[in-house]
Parts: sequence; structure tokens; C-alpha cells
Amino acid sequence: DAGVIQSPRHEVTEMGQEVTLRCKPISGHDYLFWYRQTMMRGLELLIYFNNNVPIDDSGMPEDRFSAKMPNASFSTLKIQPSEPRDSAVYFCASGKRVSSYEQYFGPGTRLTVT
Amino acid sequence: AQTVTQSQPEMSVQEAETVTLSCTYDTSESNYYLFWYKQPPSRQMILVIRQEAYKQQNATENRFSVNFQKAAKSFSLKISDSQLGDTAMYFCAFPHQETPQGGSEKLVFGKGMKLTVNP
Repeated sequence: DAGVIQSPRHEVTEMGQEVTLRCKPISGHDYLFWYRQTMMRGLELLIYFNNNVPIDDSGMPEDRFSAKMPNASFSTLKIQPSEPRDSAVYFCASGKRVSSYEQYFGPGTRLTVT
Repeated sequence: AQTVTQSQPEMSVQEAETVTLSCTYDTSESNYYLFWYKQPPSRQMILVIRQEAYKQQNATENRFSVNFQKAAKSFSLKISDSQLGDTAMYFCAFPHQETPQGGSEKLVFGKGMKLTVNP
């Protein structure tokens, strides 16, 4: 199994630009999670999906952030417009509900907004 | 509110020695899972070990084992024969309890502990 795939691995952009992060979950997993990690705030859950449907987006910081999951094998996290404070590592994770709740993480995307 | 506490922000150990990382948590559920994740400098989050609360036997995965004390709500990770590759941040996590009736798929993570294994 290829594991969770994220792209790009690194993204550098200027303030005000749109940023799109992509994720391909592990095949057969029905849950997908987007996290943000910073030194100050640690690991934060932004949003998660079950069977492609957003279940909880209470962690999305503001309207500039949006996430979609058009099918079981693809999700995007979009930031528009981006700001320097959005600089962080963004992780995607997937899981399968077998009463264990364990999640498998992708390698992350390091986003730098200048 | 559910919490996960890792009280030691940083530890170091000599190669081949044994080290124990502590974690305490708070939940009113009786049946749940607990996890330790490892994040090496490559920043990949790796699931190290999982413990099921209803099982009395402590989980073991090669050199990694847990000391689970349900009554004390303590879930420590023991690393035996430490190796340089064990240098990483370690996070304790467990499912967030959404309602009195049960948990959810969200994980509550501790703030992490930085472990350095010295040669």
C-alpha cells in the first residue's frame, strides 16, 4: 500500500495568493483528516470527512480556508487569500472505522507564505 | 473537556538504554483506544503502538511497549535498547469523546515530547 500521498511537499507563495494542497488517502479508508502543525499551536485538526462528507469543520480558522472531497480518493485544502500566519506544515491523514480510530498520516506539506 | 498531558517536554538517553515517556489523560469513557505517534526530523507522523483500554495486557511492538494503568489514566511508552533512529517527537493521543454515549473519530493529541538518543 502506498500510504497517504500529499502534494506538493513544499510550497512557497506570496501573501494574497491562492494555495491548494492535495491529498490521496489510503485505499479503502473512509475517514480523511486535515491537520495543521506549528511550533506555537502544535497539531490542530482543521476538518475531517467521512465517506466524502464533511463531518466537523470547527477547526477551520476562518473563511479563507476551505476543503473538499469530491471522491473517496482525493481531497483538497484551499487557502484564499493566503497570509504569512498560515505558514505551517499541513498534514492529511486517513483512517478506517473498525472501532480503533487509528489514523495514518501523509508526509505533510510545508507551506511558507511570504 | 478531554485532555492529554505529556508533562516532560524533552528527554535525552544514551544509545542502547531504556527510556520511558509519560502520558496522562482524562476521559469518562470506559472503553477506548490509546496511541503513541512518533515524528522524526523528516516530520512524518508514524503510528508506533496502540492500546485497547479493555485489554489488561499491555501492548508491545518490538522494542516499544506500553505501561497502561487505566485507573490512574496513565499511558506511558517504554523504548528498550534505544537507537539513534528513535530520535523524534513523540505524541500521545486518544479519541475525542463527543457525547456521553461514545467517542468520535477525532483524536486528541498531547503537546509532544522531544526525545534525543545520543551515541
